[in-house]
Amino acid sequence: GNSVTQMEGPVTLSEEAFLTINCTYTATGYPSLFWYVQYPGEGLQLLLKATKADDKGSNKGFEATYRKETTSFHLEKGSVQVSDSAVYFCALNMNTGFQKLVFGTGTRLLVSP
Amino acid sequence: NAGVTQTPKFQVLKTGQSMTLQCAQDMNHEYMSWYRQDPGMGLRLIHYSVGAGITDQGEVPNGYNVSRSTTEDFPLRLLSAAPSQTSVYFCASSEGLASGSEQYFGPGTRLTVT
Repeated sequence: GNSVTQMEGPVTLSEEAFLTINCTYTATGYPSLFWYVQYPGEGLQLLLKATKADDKGSNKGFEATYRKETTSFHLEKGSVQVSDSAVYFCALNMNTGFQKLVFGTGTRLLVSP
Repeated sequence: NAGVTQTPKFQVLKTGQSMTLQCAQDMNHEYMSWYRQDPGMGLRLIHYSVGAGITDQGEVPNGYNVSRSTTEDFPLRLLSAAPSQTSVYFCASSEGLASGSEQYFGPGTRLTVT
């Protein structure tokens, strides 16, 4: 079946450090890929997405590139802020029918001043 | 726009009790869904709806019922609560079927079953 694997957290960084959160997927076919973010006490929000191979999604300084050859969609940010502390979920959706998102387990990011 | 709203925010039930988690959206979205979030497991789809009067099962539907009588509302019913249903429940809506469509999530309901 389709699945998403994320690196285990928590990821602990100092402010202005470089961030990478790894995400790989298994899917029969070519899914759309997403990163959602969950701030403390809130629901999930879409951070960025990519719908086909080699697309780069970007938002709020975060970027991720859809790599078909390595089935990956790693999240990166050049300089994190304390306000980026949250749980980040990688997810996929197959390009057929209703959008049934398949989520990874989430990676908690903690940024200290 | 309020977006997606959920009530209650917190709930404690005893085993065997029933209750309804409410979800409403004011964006006129056709597509709505319920997820549960458990530690170490990400979010899993419980039920979804592609329009008023149309619902279907997701990955983990057992023990839950849904109905969709209006576009705005999509309540989730727990028929006889069990400790295994202790979780955080999220409702979501989206405007399109296209795979790249964004899903909008509510703030969640934290349910504890004792």
